[in-house]
Amino acid sequence: DVKVTQSSRYLVKRTGEKVFLECVQDMDHENMFWYRQDPGLGLRLIYFSYDVKMKEKGDIPEGYSVSREKKERFSLILESASTNQTSMYLCASSGPVSGNTIYFGEGSWLTVV
Amino acid sequence: GESVGLHLPTLSVQEGDNSIINCAYSNSASDYFIWYKQESGKGPQFIIDIRSNMDKRQGQRVTVLLNKTVKHLSLQIAATQPGDSAVYFCAEKLHTGRRALTFGSGTRLQVQP
Repeated sequence: DVKVTQSSRYLVKRTGEKVFLECVQDMDHENMFWYRQDPGLGLRLIYFSYDVKMKEKGDIPEGYSVSREKKERFSLILESASTNQTSMYLCASSGPVSGNTIYFGEGSWLTVV
Repeated sequence: GESVGLHLPTLSVQEGDNSIINCAYSNSASDYFIWYKQESGKGPQFIIDIRSNMDKRQGQRVTVLLNKTVKHLSLQIAATQPGDSAVYFCAEKLHTGRRALTFGSGTRLQVQP
């Protein structure tokens, strides 16, 4: 089975802190994604990466950056956390093995106070 | 512009009945569609997918129907069980362009015993 693992399930951070959300997949997928999920807004794409060191902005990249130094790992970075970034963050991956299907991790709940 | 929407935010059914969850999409260039199930506190879980060259696909207790003429997608769940209670999302992917999915806001399915 495809496994997408998000290192932190629940985080509480202060406004202005730098936050790292880590994601690892074990299926050698080329594509990795970060979404955020908010009530009434569904899943919105922040960034995605289709290869190591490659990244592309999604629909809401402002306030975020990403890093993909290794194929299996995709990190989401909040340079200076703000309260409006309180949300659930979902990492996902896809690749030739899974076709177009995107597989998700369990999510990281971030609260910025 | 592209959009994926759902007709009903909440659907309540009796255990044992069949459920139908509907989804409308606006981009005729979309060629791949997925249904996800998301239980409380968990990441979205793949249920079934369908490509635009098909109009029906069946899985275990689930069927997805695609009507490209009216840009409509539906998920049918046979003999709905309490464990089917969750939020269901449809998602679409464009034939060209980025490799990420665009999601609707979700429908909550409540199964009454």
